[in-house]
Amino acid sequence: DTEVTQTPKHLVMGMTNKKSLKCEQHMGHRAMYWYKQKAKKPPELMFVYSYEKLSINESVPSRFSPECPNSSLLNLHLHALQPEDSALYLCASSQGRRSYNSPLHFGNGTRLTVT
Amino acid sequence: AQKITQTQPGMFVQEKEAVTLDCTYDTSDQSYGLFWYKQPSSGEMIFLIYQGSYDEQNATEGRYSLNFQKARKSANLVISASQLGDSAMYFCAMMRRDDKIIFGKGTRLHILP
Repeated sequence: DTEVTQTPKHLVMGMTNKKSLKCEQHMGHRAMYWYKQKAKKPPELMFVYSYEKLSINESVPSRFSPECPNSSLLNLHLHALQPEDSALYLCASSQGRRSYNSPLHFGNGTRLTVT
Repeated sequence: AQKITQTQPGMFVQEKEAVTLDCTYDTSDQSYGLFWYKQPSSGEMIFLIYQGSYDEQNATEGRYSLNFQKARKSANLVISASQLGDSAMYFCAMMRRDDKIIFGKGTRLHILP
């Protein structure tokens, strides 16, 4: 069983919809990540939160809005998405603060389809 | 620029044979961590093994071992006695000082019965 939980597992949304992806971890990790993964490609980093503060934004379009309400929760708010945003969205956590020996622990992902 | 290179897009290996997946990296950092992940077709990313830049011993985890050659900047994954369930995409990754983890393009491993 994964220790990082993502909901929903699948999401289909129209281009005018607003939806949110949720991620939760209870490992005491202080860094949380959103990655986007297209088919047959490696995960691409979108955002990093370190100690509940946004530390990295990889020039992601504003139609993706991350939120970290507390150290265990990470949300990704979606609005006015495009069909090319369809992908697997992976949440991950790690100990954070330059813990080189702390691997990312991934959730099972949300498979998003934008119609 | 820091990057990870995996030169084998796909590999076919007979069951029970050992397999080596190549990974080279480029960084000017002195401190970094190297990881291997497995991604089956179901999509989850499974952590396999870690090697720190200051670790002198090669990491091992069960059937997985990491052949770390720091001077050559390589961190190859070795899977001993491969099994059908090892068929998956394998990603090499590096963690940098700013908590950013970058991934290679991956190697698709097919284990043949």
